[in-house]
Amino acid sequence: QKEVEQDPGPLSVPEGAIVSLNCTYSNSAFQYFMWYRQYSRKGPELLMYTYSSGNKEDGRFTAQVDKSSKYISLFIRDSQPSDSATYLCALSNTGNQFYFGTGTSLTVIP
Amino acid sequence: EADIYQTPRYLVIGTGKKITLECSQTMGHDKMYWYQQDPGMELHLIHYSYGVNSTEKGDLSSESTVSRIRTEHFPLTLESARPSHTSQYLCASSDGRTFNSPLHFGNGTRLTVT
Repeated sequence: QKEVEQDPGPLSVPEGAIVSLNCTYSNSAFQYFMWYRQYSRKGPELLMYTYSSGNKEDGRFTAQVDKSSKYISLFIRDSQPSDSATYLCALSNTGNQFYFGTGTSLTVIP
Repeated sequence: EADIYQTPRYLVIGTGKKITLECSQTMGHDKMYWYQQDPGMELHLIHYSYGVNSTEKGDLSSESTVSRIRTEHFPLTLESARPSHTSQYLCASSDGRTFNSPLHFGNGTRLTVT
């Protein structure tokens, strides 16, 4: 069983839509939760980082963590074509080793 | 913005050649990592280092070596390239002074072995 499960998509939405990206995990020891955005031919870029249950908001992006359900989400409001990318979730228990989802490919259609 | 640089960005090389992928960061981070990324797969850890003269193998470290002589530099060497090494290689770093520091990535090296 993989440590982290992420729906690979692809996901295609119209501009302005609300996007929900999700990951589930099996190890309750995970304490730190990250979302990365990766454009084609680029490295992953840190988008959101949180270490507690609940919501964290940054502009159009909201990261949500539900430790009881072992479920994390990234919401994108008012999606833009520039949001078209692959989104990776990453989890860590000690801050030394990181476990990644396979990534969800998102396309926002103008 | 993270300052971590990888060279070359793209490399096509023949089977059996020795290659070194370069990675440098200017943030003074203690921890550095090499990951392999293939389409539709999660990132696989190849090697990591928690400081100068410290290197450890990850899940996928066979046939490659790393060195950490300087804080800012963490090169990855394949002694004899094979077509199975064709992949995207990502270097990352994090701040060892902060317990829960996230990873910052370079833009990767796309390696093709013919």
